[in-house]
Amino acid sequence: EAAVTQSPRNKVTVTGGNVTLSCRQTNSHNYMYWYRQDTGHGLRLIHYSYGAGNLQIGDVPDGYKATRTTQEDFFLLLELASPSQTSLYFCASSPGLGVQDTQYFGPGTRLLVL
Amino acid sequence: GEKVEQHQSTLSVREGDSAVINCTYTDTASSYFPWYKQEAGKSLHFVIDIRSNVDRKQSQRLTVLLDKKAKRFSLHITATQPEDSAIYFCAASIRSGSWQLIFGSGTQLTVMP
Repeated sequence: EAAVTQSPRNKVTVTGGNVTLSCRQTNSHNYMYWYRQDTGHGLRLIHYSYGAGNLQIGDVPDGYKATRTTQEDFFLLLELASPSQTSLYFCASSPGLGVQDTQYFGPGTRLLVL
Repeated sequence: GEKVEQHQSTLSVREGDSAVINCTYTDTASSYFPWYKQEAGKSLHFVIDIRSNVDRKQSQRLTVLLDKKAKRFSLHITATQPEDSAIYFCAASIRSGSWQLIFGSGTQLTVMP
């Protein structure tokens, strides 16, 4: 079973604050993804990567940066957090076929921006 | 932009009955259609998928049907059990620069005893 971990699990910040969400996968998957989940919208893709140093833009990238430092680690950065970024964030990874393969999800990070 | 629509936000069935969750998609190039399950307060996990080279796939009590002409796919769960209660998300691959998965908005399935 693929293992994807996320930290922190819960985060509260203020408008304009700086937040980093971390994701680590230990299954040597090439692809990693950041999604946000909001009621009525399902999951929306923010950024994804197919390897260390690579970054691809998803559907809702505005206000987010991401960095893939190693094959295992993928970070999501909110440099000036806004209340509209209050959400449940999921990281996922998948093996060689990328989006056309099973994605393994982390436990999620709940972010509240006051 | 391309969309995946899940038309039922909620679905209730009696234990032992069948449940059907329907999705439609807009991108004619979509070729991969997975389903994910999210139990209350938990993360998502993969349940079944289908690729565009077939129109039916079965795994135990789950069957996925794909109608490429209508751009429609559905998840059929037979002999439902209380542990089937969850939110089910459909998704489809789309080409937006590179390939991405677009998810539907989810269907809350409740299996009543």
